[in-house]
Amino acid sequence: EAGVAQSPRYKIIEKRQSVAFWCNPISGHATLYWYQQILGQGPKLLIQFQNNGVVDDSQLPKDRFSAERLKGVDSTLKIQPAKLEDSAVYLCASSLAGQVYEQYFGPGTRLTVT
Amino acid sequence: RKEVEQDPGPFNVPEGATVAFNCTYSNSASQSFFWYRQDCRKEPKLLMSVYSSGNEDGRFTAQLNRASQYISLLIRDSKLSDSATYLCVVVKNTGNQFYFGTGTSLTVIP
Repeated sequence: EAGVAQSPRYKIIEKRQSVAFWCNPISGHATLYWYQQILGQGPKLLIQFQNNGVVDDSQLPKDRFSAERLKGVDSTLKIQPAKLEDSAVYLCASSLAGQVYEQYFGPGTRLTVT
Repeated sequence: RKEVEQDPGPFNVPEGATVAFNCTYSNSASQSFFWYRQDCRKEPKLLMSVYSSGNEDGRFTAQLNRASQYISLLIRDSKLSDSATYLCVVVKNTGNQFYFGTGTSLTVIP
């Protein structure tokens, strides 16, 4: 069974530039999550989708971050404009509906903002 | 105050040792608890759930203390392959909000 796919794996941009990350969850997983993991910290939930609807985006910095999951399958997370403090690994995870406890994570996108 | 707090360590223990980690949570409405494992530069993976009655899986034992609002993970007979960061996770029953701790780093030394 294919796991959660993410691209790109690495991205280096300058501050004030824009960047987008892509995630394809495990087939059949209705719930998709985006996390930000800063070095030395645990993952922080940015946004949670159930199919193509947003369940929780309370920790998403909406002035610069946006995410969508238009067809209820793959998803994109965008940062515009990026700040130095956005340097982190962005993890995408998915789970079966109602099984939030068992999330399967992708390999992540390591973002460096210079 | 953070939802979940962990001692970041690092814990450096010899092979065969027993090691325990604690994790405290701030919200008494928290409903579900888990331990995830994250290897260096890898993604987190579910290690085990934490039940009110405790949970044991081989060398790993997880326990919950609701009165004191903490969960624990005990690893017996440590192996080199146990070296990783252990993340505790707390789920609040409203909205299934998932909170990770900062993680505790474990290195098992030969």
